[in-house]
Amino acid sequence: AQTVTQSQPEMSVQEAETVTLSCTYDTSESDYYLFWYKQPPSRQMILVIRQEAYKQQNATENRFSVNFQKAAKSFSLKISDSQLGDAAMYFCAYRSFYSGGSNYKLTFGKGTLLTVNP
Amino acid sequence: ETGVTQTPRHLVMGMTNKKSLKCEQHLGHNAMYWYKQSAKKPLELMFVYNFKEQTENNSVPSRFSPECPNSSHLFLHLHTLQPEDSALYLCASSQDFSGGLFEQYFGPGTRLTVT
Repeated sequence: AQTVTQSQPEMSVQEAETVTLSCTYDTSESDYYLFWYKQPPSRQMILVIRQEAYKQQNATENRFSVNFQKAAKSFSLKISDSQLGDAAMYFCAYRSFYSGGSNYKLTFGKGTLLTVNP
Repeated sequence: ETGVTQTPRHLVMGMTNKKSLKCEQHLGHNAMYWYKQSAKKPLELMFVYNFKEQTENNSVPSRFSPECPNSSHLFLHLHTLQPEDSALYLCASSQDFSGGLFEQYFGPGTRLTVT
């Protein structure tokens, strides 16, 4: 079974600075998807960024980028130019690439609570 | 309404009550999910429906009873709950399981408190 570990329960960053959230995972599969979800205080969880394991290039979405290290099974999220609206719980999640059986399941980490200080 | 909506947003109920949570998706998806989110724990998948058929029951106690009358609506019927069932209950939807990424979209959740 796959597991996802987020070793930082809480992080803080000054507005306009950069912060990196860590995520490691364990899997025996070679193809899979990785996701970062954001859950603001209003509670609606939204997808921030995703990475297909077969792609070597790190995904980027505006101020959000990932550092995907497949061999190390590491998937960190970098937030540049942090804004007050970035304050939220961030979840790392894993999903198998293949659609059969129970592979549609998302396996989540416990989350990292990010505080942005003005 | 757009996306995934959930009602009520907050619910307080006694252990002998019966209540229902409602989820509706306006995305044309065919798969719907119930998750339980407790503090300091990963999200726990409870139930999954694909084209109205239940495909997953993740060892959930029978005091939780899901219902999916159509691909747009999902209910979670609650009865004789325990205080440890207090949590945030999230609904999600995705296109289906036929292949590809089928990204999950989440609702805002229902904060349930069992007294």
